[in-house]
Amino acid sequence: GAVVSQHPSRVICKSGTSVKIECRSLDFQATTMFWYRQFPKKSLMLMATSNEGSKATYEQGVEKDKFLINHASLTLSTLTVTSAHPEDSSFYICSARISGHPGGEAFFGQGTRLTVV
Amino acid sequence: GQQVMQIPQYQHVQEGEDFTTYCNSSTTLSNIQWYKQRPGGHPVFLIQLVKSGEVKKQKRLTFQFGEAKKNSSLHITATQTTDVGTYFCAGPRSGGGADGLTFGKGTHLIIQP
Repeated sequence: GAVVSQHPSRVICKSGTSVKIECRSLDFQATTMFWYRQFPKKSLMLMATSNEGSKATYEQGVEKDKFLINHASLTLSTLTVTSAHPEDSSFYICSARISGHPGGEAFFGQGTRLTVV
Repeated sequence: GQQVMQIPQYQHVQEGEDFTTYCNSSTTLSNIQWYKQRPGGHPVFLIQLVKSGEVKKQKRLTFQFGEAKKNSSLHITATQTTDVGTYFCAGPRSGGGADGLTFGKGTHLIIQP
């Protein structure tokens, strides 16, 4: 199946610093990618939809200035957590579906466990 | 807004027992998908159901899609320790474009040897 690669898998950062997470579709093009946040033993909460070549669409309650999303190419989306605080510590996962196959399965990256100290 | 509800939240079973998780949507779905997330891992696609009343099997797993296309279930026969994980159902987001999914809260399956 298609592969989505997410990097880094784990990151620890100090409060006030910024962290960038990359999400790449390795063998397919994705005009749209999705960023989720998952708390321990909880479901996946959609944060935003990343659109290639245009602005991301954020879910209600998600601060767009804090969670910057860039989708510069058909295979790469990045999520930058700016001025991170301990409450931003979480598991962030990206996913993508193959362009032109809207009803198909979603492929997930491996996730990034962010710890803000 | 659209809600996808899943029960139970946790299920403890003895190895060899059966397991079922149920998924209900507040809106009619064009399709429903099931994912499995192992502890510490990421969600992995299991199956997609499209037709009303559809039943699909994957070895010991049986998936059903309700006649009204608003509910679904996953049944595992004779659970094994490898079945441990969280099972999520997901449906297309109503009114949302760009192929987004709404996930249920998941059912955590815990198996006691």
